[in-house]
Amino acid sequence: AQSVTQLDSQVPVFEEAPVELRCNYSSSVSVYLFWYVQYPNQGLQLLLKYLSGSTLVKGINGFEAEFNKSQTSFHLRKPSVHISDTAEYFCAVSSYNFNKFYFGSGTKLNVKP
Amino acid sequence: NAGVMQNPRHLVRRRGQEARLRCSPMKGHSHVYWYRQLPEEGLKFMVYLQKENIIDESGMPKERFSAEFPKEGPSILRIQQVVRGDSAAYFCASSPDPGSNQPQHFGDGTRLSIL
Repeated sequence: AQSVTQLDSQVPVFEEAPVELRCNYSSSVSVYLFWYVQYPNQGLQLLLKYLSGSTLVKGINGFEAEFNKSQTSFHLRKPSVHISDTAEYFCAVSSYNFNKFYFGSGTKLNVKP
Repeated sequence: NAGVMQNPRHLVRRRGQEARLRCSPMKGHSHVYWYRQLPEEGLKFMVYLQKENIIDESGMPKERFSAEFPKEGPSILRIQQVVRGDSAAYFCASSPDPGSNQPQHFGDGTRLSIL
């Protein structure tokens, strides 16, 4: 079975500052890793994914994440955030058959002017 | 190219009534997944369906909940005799053949409120 832990439920940050949202996972098998963003009253939008290859993955809106197998982490980063990045971010894992996604409990990013 | 369409966006029911949530997958997608999001929580997997087949329903409550994905028409998540604890956002996602290595695309959800 897989599980995902997002330790930070809320992250306040000032505009143009860097941010890192943490994600750790546990799994007895190899997994695929994802970050999704959810704006209020909307569904989830895929930010980026790690399937294989380079451990540094670049996504939309200037976000990137690094897969660290030894630390079972997939932290999301952005060097300079904007007000429009205010949203909730979910880390997720799936097994190779994509049958089921396991989501973390989410991190609310609040970007202040 | 329309994405995953869910309706209604908001649904209000009284305790004991039935709730029917609909999901039309993206064009070309034949796999549908339902998730439930309780307030302040992440999404929890409920059920995975292909056309006319339930592949994995390990996340579905044993009673009152059922799902289908008929050959024609949208996928339906049905909740009978709703209770207050059923209040949540229900999200549908779809994907093409999982072997295509494509992640799931999500709809905007149905927010179910039980009075």
